[in-house]
Amino acid sequence: AQKITQTQPGMFVQEKEAVTLDCTYDTSDQSYGLFWYKQPSSGEMIFLIYQGSYDEQNATEGRYSLNFQKARKSANLVISASQLGDSAMYFCAMREGRDSSYKLIFGSGTRLLVRP
Amino acid sequence: DTGVSQDPRHKITKRGQNVTFRCDPISEHNRLYWYRQTLGQGPEFLTYFQNEAQLEKSRLLSDRFSAERPKGSFSTLEIQRTEQGDSAMYLCASSLDGTGTQYFGAGTRLSVL
Repeated sequence: AQKITQTQPGMFVQEKEAVTLDCTYDTSDQSYGLFWYKQPSSGEMIFLIYQGSYDEQNATEGRYSLNFQKARKSANLVISASQLGDSAMYFCAMREGRDSSYKLIFGSGTRLLVRP
Repeated sequence: DTGVSQDPRHKITKRGQNVTFRCDPISEHNRLYWYRQTLGQGPEFLTYFQNEAQLEKSRLLSDRFSAERPKGSFSTLEIQRTEQGDSAMYLCASSLDGTGTQYFGAGTRLSVL
């Protein structure tokens, strides 16, 4: 079974509007971390935002916020006021606490295109 | 802080040749990870180092793959007798410690002809 599921292969958004990218996860751990990364066409994975499983408040970083719903096991990324430079692949990833390697498990990604 | 750097950015090789990639992590980061990303997929874990010790290897890492991190600084990933199925983006990431955020390099894109 997939541990990270991103059901939107591609999304369009109009410049200056907000967009939500979906991510659901599966784990039996009580302690885990959820990440979002942006990958432009250049290939580099750029860290955007982090949410710990015990964090009571949703994480925010500038125009990025993470809508964390623990009971639903979802960690959606919200980008406000989209910019043309936001066009990229976006990956949701999880790190499980019981795994001492702390390796990241990634979803298959969502390609976001921002229209002018 | 210059971030994680990887070299080369692109590598084209013929099947059966050996290739080596280098990763320079963020200084003072004691964890270093290697991932592989094929087209249309998210990255998949290959192996990681805590300082100079290689502590885990994925089953994706066949015997033709070897990774080192001498002195706990830069790391190299070597693929021997490359196959067309090895064509992928190889990403390196480093973190301060296990629970720290992993920061990635720009990757090495390998094409095996």
